[in-house]
Amino acid sequence: EAGVTQFPSHSVIEKGQTVTLRCDPISGHDNLYWYRRVMGKEIKFLLHFVKESKQDESGMPNNRFLAERTGGTYSTLKVQPAELEDSGVYFCASSPGPNTIYFGEGSWLTVV
Amino acid sequence: AQTVTQSQPEMSVQEAETVTLSCTYDTSENNYYLFWYKQPPSRQMILVIRQEAYKQQNATENRFSVNFQKAAKSFSLKISDSQLGDTAMYFCAFEYGQNFVFGPGTRLSVLP
Repeated sequence: EAGVTQFPSHSVIEKGQTVTLRCDPISGHDNLYWYRRVMGKEIKFLLHFVKESKQDESGMPNNRFLAERTGGTYSTLKVQPAELEDSGVYFCASSPGPNTIYFGEGSWLTVV
Repeated sequence: AQTVTQSQPEMSVQEAETVTLSCTYDTSENNYYLFWYKQPPSRQMILVIRQEAYKQQNATENRFSVNFQKAAKSFSLKISDSQLGDTAMYFCAFEYGQNFVFGPGTRLSVLP
């Protein structure tokens, strides 16, 4: 069974540009999460989808970040315009229900 | 390659008792960080405790403490006076530079 896949695995963009990260959850998982870890800090929650609906988006840092989950399948996280402090690793995870979560390997974003 | 192993997929403990979750890791790095995260049912991931590899003193956070054995590459988590709210998935994680590796998780159930 395929795990949670994320791409791109690495991205280097200039300040002010736009980047879109994609996450494909494990098939059948209704819950999809985005996390990020900026350099030197702990992993922080961004948001949680249940199917196509945003269950909790309290962790989204500002309106430069936009997450969508088309048809309750894959999800995208767009950063527009990117700032230097957005550099870090963005993790996606999916879950079929409580107490079980599967993480992707992360998308490493560097803004220069 | 860095790997993190949690050999206990599931554990249970009676309320008010003590439980220890195991974690081992493999790395050739000398300076790194180790973490324990918990994810309560259908909620965001929460940092429990963090240990810097160059510090010999074991980290403690209230009822949570670690037994860090650098030579053995072991990083176990002890939860004292377990509470019902401790029921969650617990992830051990290893991090150095831009590399962040999670263990597969241990599902802990605290029984009344």
